[in-house]
Amino acid sequence: QQPVQSPQAVILREGEDAVINCSSSKALYSVHWYRQKHGEAPVFLMILLKGGEQKGHDKISASFNEKKQQSSLYLTASQLSYSGTYFCGTEGVDTGNQFYFGTGTSLTVIP
Amino acid sequence: DAGVTQSPTHLIKTRGQQVTLRCSPISGHKSVSWYQQVLGQGPQFIFQYYEKEERGRGNFPDRFSARQFPNYSSELNVNALLLGDSALYLCASSLWGPNNEQFFGPGTRLTVL
Repeated sequence: QQPVQSPQAVILREGEDAVINCSSSKALYSVHWYRQKHGEAPVFLMILLKGGEQKGHDKISASFNEKKQQSSLYLTASQLSYSGTYFCGTEGVDTGNQFYFGTGTSLTVIP
Repeated sequence: DAGVTQSPTHLIKTRGQQVTLRCSPISGHKSVSWYQQVLGQGPQFIFQYYEKEERGRGNFPDRFSARQFPNYSSELNVNALLLGDSALYLCASSLWGPNNEQFFGPGTRLTVL
């Protein structure tokens, strides 16, 4: 039931854009996105509830397609501070309050 | 305001021993969730507690147990430790369950020898 993320890793130059995808085999109630830097705890980025909404703040946004059980995270004009591992997190419609983190995407932004 | 706190920071145990990890949520948060994160992998859901009741359980053996106290702090207990239990144990608090923004503590690094 763990969501699958793609790509597994990506390297960007400052100012470039990236898209990280998250796909689940289960019907989803919500999708969260977190960023974790090495040696630190995950930090919440945003939550999307079923309804196909798109959210964003600053240059990071996300979309949620509940019919396909997929979410995408969009990072535009990447900054060095965006480096880290990105995880989607999902709560299923019928998974009994269980929360699953995705497989993770390592993102490295270089000057 | 204080964030989520966890204790201890690091712990070394031997196989077969028992361990108790502690977590204090952000003031006003009534839900605590526990996760296990093995090096190089994403966090794995262990438990969710809300208002002192277990509301969700992940695919972990019965050696893992937890409880939540009236002040909403929580303990995670692991019995009969195995080498494979070595991991970072993360606690996250939220207003209600993981379907709200979760705030993570710094974690407890458990090493089983």
